[in-house]
Amino acid sequence: AQTVTQSQPEMSVQEAETVTLSCTYDTSESDYYLFWYKQPPSRQMILVIRQEAYKQQNATENRFSVNFQKAAKSFSLKISDSQLGDAAMYFCAYRRRSGGGADGLTFGKGTHLIIQP
Amino acid sequence: NAGVTQTPKFRILKIGQSMTLQCAQDMNHNYMYWYRQDPGMGLKLIYYSVGAGITDKGEVPNGYNVSRSTTEDFPLRLELAAPSQTSVYFCASRATDYYNEQFFGPGTRLTVL
Repeated sequence: AQTVTQSQPEMSVQEAETVTLSCTYDTSESDYYLFWYKQPPSRQMILVIRQEAYKQQNATENRFSVNFQKAAKSFSLKISDSQLGDAAMYFCAYRRRSGGGADGLTFGKGTHLIIQP
Repeated sequence: NAGVTQTPKFRILKIGQSMTLQCAQDMNHNYMYWYRQDPGMGLKLIYYSVGAGITDKGEVPNGYNVSRSTTEDFPLRLELAAPSQTSVYFCASRATDYYNEQFFGPGTRLTVL
């Protein structure tokens, strides 16, 4: 079974600065997807960014980028120019590609990101 | 499109009571999911369905049942509620293409006293 580990329960960053959230995972699969989800106090789960394991290029979405290290099974999220609206819980998640990935996402425990004004 | 909708938003149950959490999606997605999120934790998969009439257990299925009679609806049944089932429950759906993202409902906060 796959596992996802987020070792930082809480991170704090000054507004406009850059912060990196860590995620490691364990799987025996060679093809899979990795995701970062944001959960603000409203509880809504919002997809931030996704990475396909077969792609070597790191995904980027505006101020959000990832550092995907497949051999190390590491998938960190970098938030540049942090904004107050970035304050939320961030969850790293894994989904295998085999079987269509029908059996859902495996989540880490999350990192609470605090933005200091 | 309403996306994924869940009812109720909040519910308090007494130990031993039963209830059904409703989930519906209007995106014609074949895959649907139920997750629970305990305080300070990530989401854990309870049950999932790959289409009408087909369901399977996830990581934490004990104490729950599901059915999928239509593509749109995927209710979650709690029988004999226990305090350990106090959690926030999320329903989600996804189209079958590999790359597609999972869309989540707003969640139901359930307290069992």
